[in-house]
Amino acid sequence: AQSVTQPDIHITVSEGASLELRCNYSYGATPYLFWYVQSPGQGLQLLLKYFSGDTLVQGIKGFEAEFKRSQSSFNLRKPSVHWSDAAEYFCAVGAGQGAQKLVFGQGTRLTINP
Amino acid sequence: GAVVSQHPSRVICKSGTSVKIECRSLDFQATTMFWYRQFPKKSLMLMATSNEGSKATYEQGVEKDKFLINHASLTLSTLTVTSAHPEDSSFYICSGLGRAYEQYFGPGTRLTVT
Repeated sequence: AQSVTQPDIHITVSEGASLELRCNYSYGATPYLFWYVQSPGQGLQLLLKYFSGDTLVQGIKGFEAEFKRSQSSFNLRKPSVHWSDAAEYFCAVGAGQGAQKLVFGQGTRLTINP
Repeated sequence: GAVVSQHPSRVICKSGTSVKIECRSLDFQATTMFWYRQFPKKSLMLMATSNEGSKATYEQGVEKDKFLINHASLTLSTLTVTSAHPEDSSFYICSGLGRAYEQYFGPGTRLTVT
């Protein structure tokens, strides 16, 4: 069965520092991978997705992620975080027919220190 | 981006009553919508997939008689929690499937059963 693991429940970084959120997946075929951000009172927003092609994916808000098949990973990165990046981040893999169903990781809460 | 709304955002009901949650795609037609449940500090768990004009497909372990889903139009899906009990208290999130496997999420509905 498909699964996603986000090893870090909570991460704190200083504003302006770099960020990497880890994501490992388990999926038998080529995965469709997503990163979403959830802010209070707002729906999950898609940051970026990987289906095929270039393994380094650029997303919105300055985020990027790199697909590494050999490590079954899809880590999210940002070179310099802003206070507004504080939120909950979810990695997900598309599963089922047409990869329509999403299997989410446990989420990583990001706190930004001023 | 595409917008999905949910109504109500918060609802409190008494044990044994039923409550209906609406999910609307505001600027796109969603043939397929998904309903998720999110427990505190936990990930999103897919409850069911609803397709316009047909019966919903429920995930294993989800009681279809308790969580009634109706997808009567291309822009509206409803989730009715029947005979609610305190253990049904949770955060319910819907999404509409857009193009390129992208799901657009609603802001969620906080259900509290007293």
